[in-house]
Amino acid sequence: DADVTQTPRNRITKTGKRIMLECSQTKGHDRMYWYRQDPGLGLQLIYYSFDVKDINKGEISDGYSVSRQAQAKFSLSLESAIPNQTALYFCATIEDKGGPGDEKLFFGSGTQLSVL
Amino acid sequence: ELKVEQNPLFLSMQEGKNYTIYCNYSTTSDRLYWYRQDPGKSLESLFVLLSNGAVKQEGRLMASLDTKARLSTLHITAAVHDLSATYFCAVPYSGGGADGLTFGKGTHLIIQP
Repeated sequence: DADVTQTPRNRITKTGKRIMLECSQTKGHDRMYWYRQDPGLGLQLIYYSFDVKDINKGEISDGYSVSRQAQAKFSLSLESAIPNQTALYFCATIEDKGGPGDEKLFFGSGTQLSVL
Repeated sequence: ELKVEQNPLFLSMQEGKNYTIYCNYSTTSDRLYWYRQDPGKSLESLFVLLSNGAVKQEGRLMASLDTKARLSTLHITAAVHDLSATYFCAVPYSGGGADGLTFGKGTHLIIQP
C-alpha cells in the first residue's frame, strides 16, 4: 500500500464547481504539503501544514483552501474552480526527526485535475 | 525571492555518453535535493545534499553541491535508457529545513539507444 494516498487520481469538473482533493498518509508524519505541477513549470507550493493546528500559505494559495482533519489527512479545496487551475496536484509529507538529511519529501501519486 | 534554475530543460542523449545537468539557485542555502519523475508518475527522492562540497553517488548518477557558487550538478555516467525521466532540483525556502521547497522547472532527459 502507498504511504501517501491521493484521491481521486483523475477528475474533470466544470468552471465554478467546488472540488476537494484528498490526501491521507500512513507514515505518521506531522508535516504535509500540497503542490501543483504545470508542464514546464516545475512544482509550486500551494499550502503546507506542520500539524493539525498549524496551516500556512504557500506561494500560490489564491483560489485554494485546505483542511487538516487529522495528522493523517490533509485536503485541498477549490471553492470555485477555474480553467487555469487545470494541473497535476501532488500531496507530500516530510519526516521531521530534527536532524540533517531527514528532510525528504514523500509524494503521493498525484491527482490530474481538468477544469472545463 | 528564491529562484531555482535548471539547465538544460531538455536533453536528448545517446546511451553510453556522459552528461551533466546544472542547478543554480539565487539565495543562500545549505542543502539541496534532487528528484526523479517518470512520465505519469510521482516524484522520487534521489539525493539530499547537506553541505558545501557534498557529493553523493548512486549507480550512474552523481550529485554535488557548491554552496558558495549556489550550484549543484547531477552527472550521468555512461547513460542507459532506464535513466530517461525528468529530473528536478529543489532548494528550501529558508535555507533551513525542507519546508516549502522551491523546485526548478525540471530537466526532461531522453536517452536513446
